Amino acid sequence: EVQLVESGGGLVQPGGSLKLSCAASGFTFSGSAMHWVRQASGKGLEWVGRIRSKANSYATAYAASVKGRFTISRDDSKNTAYLQMNSLKTEDTAVYYCTRFYGGSFDYWGQGTLVTVSS
Amino acid sequence: EIVLTQSPGTLSLSPGERATLSCRASQSVSSSYLAWYQQKPGQAPRLLIYGASSRATGIPDRFSGSGSGTDFTLTISRLEPEDFAVYYCQQYGSSQITFGQGTRLEIK
Repeated sequence: EVQLVESGGGLVQPGGSLKLSCAASGFTFSGSAMHWVRQASGKGLEWVGRIRSKANSYATAYAASVKGRFTISRDDSKNTAYLQMNSLKTEDTAVYYCTRFYGGSFDYWGQGTLVTVSS
Repeated sequence: EIVLTQSPGTLSLSPGERATLSCRASQSVSSSYLAWYQQKPGQAPRLLIYGASSRATGIPDRFSGSGSGTDFTLTISRLEPEDFAVYYCQQYGSSQITFGQGTRLEIK
């Protein structure tokens, strides 16, 4: 059974940092591109960024709204992807989903973790 | 960045009726990289259609996707009670991914 389990969400002050984790099981994590997608309360889905596999040089890409503040990494030995979020803004408040990208779409999703940026 | 515009914003229909949801792109999208998702309250999105017209694993055949270029359509042939949800289209191109703003399908 495929599972993606996000953790690390919580309340953080504006300007602060938070690191999310995504633990994967049930598929070949090391060969998969992993993405983060977020959703503010009552709003639509927003792509955050991605990290490709080792075969694709662990290449990363980010949405303009987070570029320079967020960093995606992975540890294939732990089947885990990470989202390091720095210089957080109130507009970063959202549920953050970890998802696998395959053939142009997202086939597996985690349950999401809530990040709240507030003073 | 390719902008996806979904219409209508809200669609009110009854069970058993046919639903037609539209997704229009600001520039041409490869059909290989257009997908549709269903999201219910408190749940993660679920992949319905990939490659514009291929159903994902376990998706009933009442769901179908079509289109090419800048115009894509998700059709639900006969609505079941569990189909009332929010639907998003998504495209992938040039290392950037965008979603439509969503169509809410509600019970009339």
